[in-house]
Amino acid sequence: ETGVTQTPRHLVMGMTNKKSLKCEQHLGHNAMYWYKQSAKKPLELMFVYSLEERVENNSVPSRFSPECPNSSHLFLHLHTLQPEDSALYLCASSQEGTNEKLFFGSGTQLSVL
Amino acid sequence: QKEVEQNSGPLSVPEGAIASLNCTYSDRGSQSFFWYRQYSGKSPELIMSIYSNGDKEDGRFTAQLNKASQYVSLLIRDSQPSDSATYLCAVNSGWDSSYKLIFGSGTRLLVRP
Repeated sequence: ETGVTQTPRHLVMGMTNKKSLKCEQHLGHNAMYWYKQSAKKPLELMFVYSLEERVENNSVPSRFSPECPNSSHLFLHLHTLQPEDSALYLCASSQEGTNEKLFFGSGTQLSVL
Repeated sequence: QKEVEQNSGPLSVPEGAIASLNCTYSDRGSQSFFWYRQYSGKSPELIMSIYSNGDKEDGRFTAQLNKASQYVSLLIRDSQPSDSATYLCAVNSGWDSSYKLIFGSGTRLLVRP
């Protein structure tokens, strides 16, 4: 298994759909992250979980709902998204106390129609 | 607003040349600095980290940090076409937000055969 795996790789959804993105890390890390990457823009931090507790919610709209059932799994639940939410969504993990060296998953390319 | 600035490029260099990628940051309290490489359609991959002023070398890569000038750079010696990618500079935003890395928009590097 590679370090951080994300599914699905690609997702097309309508504005009324509900879908979930899944992330799993096999590195023994205790912090997990969701980032959004839009074209020509910097990576935007969305959520951070440390030891399964949310420690950062970077002013993300409520149509994005994270869930971290344990230190290895992270979900991002999506509902009533807007076309401007189309982007690459990246999951990452790190070991707390290691100066935030992030290991990224392959990402989910999301298109909202 | 804490920021990380990079020239978007593309920076075009011939094969075998030295590629020099630059990054400036606004938060004087930043402690950790990273360079990530992102191939088109792929996720970012950590290639260098640096924490103290001066140079840090790893193979063909050298990271340079000047905290007084709030400047970090990445040198790639003997550039290869396989180095063609977008290089992201990331900076820890300071002791008040230990989980938050601020990313630049990235510099696209093109190595011509």
